Amino acid sequence: QKEVEQNSGPLSVPEGAIASLNCTYSDRGSQSFFWYRQYSGKSPELIMSIYSNGDKEDGRFTAQLNKASQYVSLLIRDSQPSDSATYLCAVIFSGSARQLTFGSGTQLTVLP
Amino acid sequence: EADIYQTPRYLVIGTGKKITLECSQTMGHDKMYWYQQDPGMELHLIHYSYGVNSTEKGDLSSESTVSRIRTEHFPLTLESARPSHTSQYLCASSESGGGYEQYFGPGTRLTVT
Repeated sequence: QKEVEQNSGPLSVPEGAIASLNCTYSDRGSQSFFWYRQYSGKSPELIMSIYSNGDKEDGRFTAQLNKASQYVSLLIRDSQPSDSATYLCAVIFSGSARQLTFGSGTQLTVLP
Repeated sequence: EADIYQTPRYLVIGTGKKITLECSQTMGHDKMYWYQQDPGMELHLIHYSYGVNSTEKGDLSSESTVSRIRTEHFPLTLESARPSHTSQYLCASSESGGGYEQYFGPGTRLTVT
């Protein structure tokens, strides 16, 4: 069974610190990876997509992909209390007709 | 960013009632999806569509049905609601070509009493 694994947390970091969120996936042939942010009671909001090995930066967010090790991570620099949310990792597995499989999410709390 | 709308946002309804959850998008996306999410739990795909007159069941078995008569509209129907259907229902859409990013609507929180 194809799976996306995330530490459920909660992960707490002080304001201004770097928050590091990790995700591993079971299918070596996967090519497309996404990070979503979900505030409590709200719908997921796309933060970043990444398709190639290496780093992809967008503002305070950096996604890192290592296909050989089958993990993708999200770094949040200069964390703010407004970043407190659940972060969902999603993967399109090979042969899945481009459907997203979501991890269970990591709950992040940024302490003022 | 996609413009995708869901109505109602909240619904409390009695057992046995028929309900339809509406989802519409204005971006011309061919692909649309319905997910179910219980509080603090994972999202599970229950239905998807790759275009008009195309509908498929997702990974999570659901007693709901969907239709896709127009590109912009993807309603979900429960013929006879039960308390086990209490959940949040999220609609999403994505483009056919290019990236595979899915954009979500605000969701419908359904409570069946």
